[in-house]
Amino acid sequence: SYVLTQPPSMSVAPGKTATITCGGHNFESKSVHWYQQKAGQAPVLVIYYDSARQTGIPQRFSGSNSGDTATLTISRVEAGDEADYYCQVWDTSGDQRGLFGGGTKLTVL
Amino acid sequence: QVQLVESGGGVVQPGRSLRLSCAASGFGFSAYDMHWVRQPPGKGLEWVAGIWYDGSNQNYKDSVKGRFIISRDASRSTLSLQMNNPRPDDTAVYFCVRGIRVRGIIYFDLWGLGTLVSVSS
Repeated sequence: SYVLTQPPSMSVAPGKTATITCGGHNFESKSVHWYQQKAGQAPVLVIYYDSARQTGIPQRFSGSNSGDTATLTISRVEAGDEADYYCQVWDTSGDQRGLFGGGTKLTVL
Repeated sequence: QVQLVESGGGVVQPGRSLRLSCAASGFGFSAYDMHWVRQPPGKGLEWVAGIWYDGSNQNYKDSVKGRFIISRDASRSTLSLQMNNPRPDDTAVYFCVRGIRVRGIIYFDLWGLGTLVSVSS
């Protein structure tokens, strides 16, 4: 079955760039979406269709998709960016279903 | 105000039943696909089920097929999840989610705050 692979955690200093990856297969045929979930809150859509920024999301957030890896990049990281980040695709290879990566916990040092 | 509000969570014994509801407001409910996504305690997000905007199609996560039923009531702008024969591994916060579907690609642009379901004897 289709699986999305994310690093469980990463840390970055304020002002630096965080790069969160999402590994899959045949990504060029799929669109990848990204969600931010802060502690105790519901997830929020950050990036859709690989690189489109959701309304209200700072320009510091960007996305890309190439080959078997999708990437969420957060430039000039701030303390408020500390959260869990999830990638997601809609899988139509068999029965249609939603798939999430395991999530990456971003810690701002 | 555009929002989704879940209700119906609680403690349920394995093998019994529980019905979750989600009240939508502030947008045209009948124009959107709707989904349930859950999050077990301390774990990641899991898509559970989805229903097309007009109720014509439903999809389910393999582990809930035959046990859970997703439905919607356009007249009340309400989404439901009937949980039959729940198991301990169904314990999670259940989020009601609005789906955007374009050319077969689906993402989730509006989330409720969630309702906690605990399956325990």
